[in-house]
Amino acid sequence: AQSVTQLDSQVPVFEEAPVELRCNYSSSVSVYLFWYVQYPNQGLQLLLKYLSGSTLVKGINGFEAEFNKSQTSFHLRKPSVHISDTAEYFCAVRGSNYKLTFGKGTLLTVNP
Amino acid sequence: SQTIHQWPATLVQPVGSPLSLECTVEGTSNPNLYWYRQAAGRGLQLLFYSVGIGQISSEVPQNLSASRPQDRQFILSSKKLLLSDSGFYLCAWSVGWGNNSPLHFGNGTRLTVT
Repeated sequence: AQSVTQLDSQVPVFEEAPVELRCNYSSSVSVYLFWYVQYPNQGLQLLLKYLSGSTLVKGINGFEAEFNKSQTSFHLRKPSVHISDTAEYFCAVRGSNYKLTFGKGTLLTVNP
Repeated sequence: SQTIHQWPATLVQPVGSPLSLECTVEGTSNPNLYWYRQAAGRGLQLLFYSVGIGQISSEVPQNLSASRPQDRQFILSSKKLLLSDSGFYLCAWSVGWGNNSPLHFGNGTRLTVT
């Protein structure tokens, strides 16, 4: 079985500041890792995914994430955030079955 | 391109009433289909998944059931709703047998049981 921990439930930042949303996972098998974004009252949209290869993964909207196997982490980063990045972000892990296990989410609030 | 449709977008139902939420996928064949529930502060909980017509796997014991009458149709039902069934219900699909395929989500149904 796998699990995901998102260490911060809320992250407030100012516009144009950098941001890092933290995600740690546990799994007994090799995993595939994903970040999703959810805007209010909408479904989840895939931001980026790590399947194999380069540990630095680039996604949409200027986000990137780095897979660190030794620390079992997959933190999401953006060098300069915009007001429009305000949303909830979910980290997810998929192991040896069809199921995608999600963290509890991090609410990113970008203030002017 | 593939699209996923969920309806209704919002629903208010009294306790004890039945429920039927529908989800359809277009533009792909034999997708894996999923129902998730999202409750405030609790992330997403997988309720059911299906790898083919008539094949349903339930993740948690509950008051809900799922059916897949057609390849690209996934229905979430209940005979009698409970207050605790309130939440945001999300349908999702993925393709292929590989575990590296991401899930693609619909826009969700906000269910309020009163």
